[in-house]
Amino acid sequence: DSGVTQTPKHLITATGQRVTLRCSPRSGDLSVYWYQQSLDQGLQFLIQYYNGEERAKGNILERFSAQQFPDLHSELNLSSLELGDSALYFCASSARDFLETQYFGPGTRLLVL
Amino acid sequence: GENVEQHPSTLSVQEGDSAVIKCTYSDSASNYFPWYKQELGKRPQLIIDIRSNVGEKKDQRIAVTLNKTAKHFSLHITETQPEDSAVYFCAAKTTGNQFYFGTGTSLTVIP
Repeated sequence: DSGVTQTPKHLITATGQRVTLRCSPRSGDLSVYWYQQSLDQGLQFLIQYYNGEERAKGNILERFSAQQFPDLHSELNLSSLELGDSALYFCASSARDFLETQYFGPGTRLLVL
Repeated sequence: GENVEQHPSTLSVQEGDSAVIKCTYSDSASNYFPWYKQELGKRPQLIIDIRSNVGEKKDQRIAVTLNKTAKHFSLHITETQPEDSAVYFCAAKTTGNQFYFGTGTSLTVIP
């Protein structure tokens, strides 16, 4: 157990809908990262937050957004969902920022029908 | 942007043999290179990492080498065991803090 928690574990929804994925980092970690893992595109970095502020952006679609709250938990919002958004979404956390070990959560498996 | 290529995509070795997985990257300014192990249905786990100012790092049976000039880095696993069977991902972090992953290597260690 990495100490990073993600909810929900599984999510089934329909195209066009909006969902929110939640992540709680390890106690004391200030950075949160979001990743998408799909069969056709592999593991992709989406976005990083550090102590409440966006720090880096990867291949995140405009339909997706994220934020980190004062208690350091983070949410990833996915809207106007498409079939291709079906994937495993991982959150990871690290103590501070650059060059730090990232600890991954168990992931949220999203299925868009 | 950065592009990370990983080879081979699948690798089978006999228990006790060594396994080597190679990655190349395109952005010469990338400065951090972690390796992750992902077992089926589980989360990726960091197994070793290397920073751009270091050429080699070793942790028991696992080692990583980095050649900045050639822009490639490799994972070496010695004395492989069946529990080493998993998918391994390399990654490169750019100076903009973006992580780019390789496509993964499925390693099977045959008892």
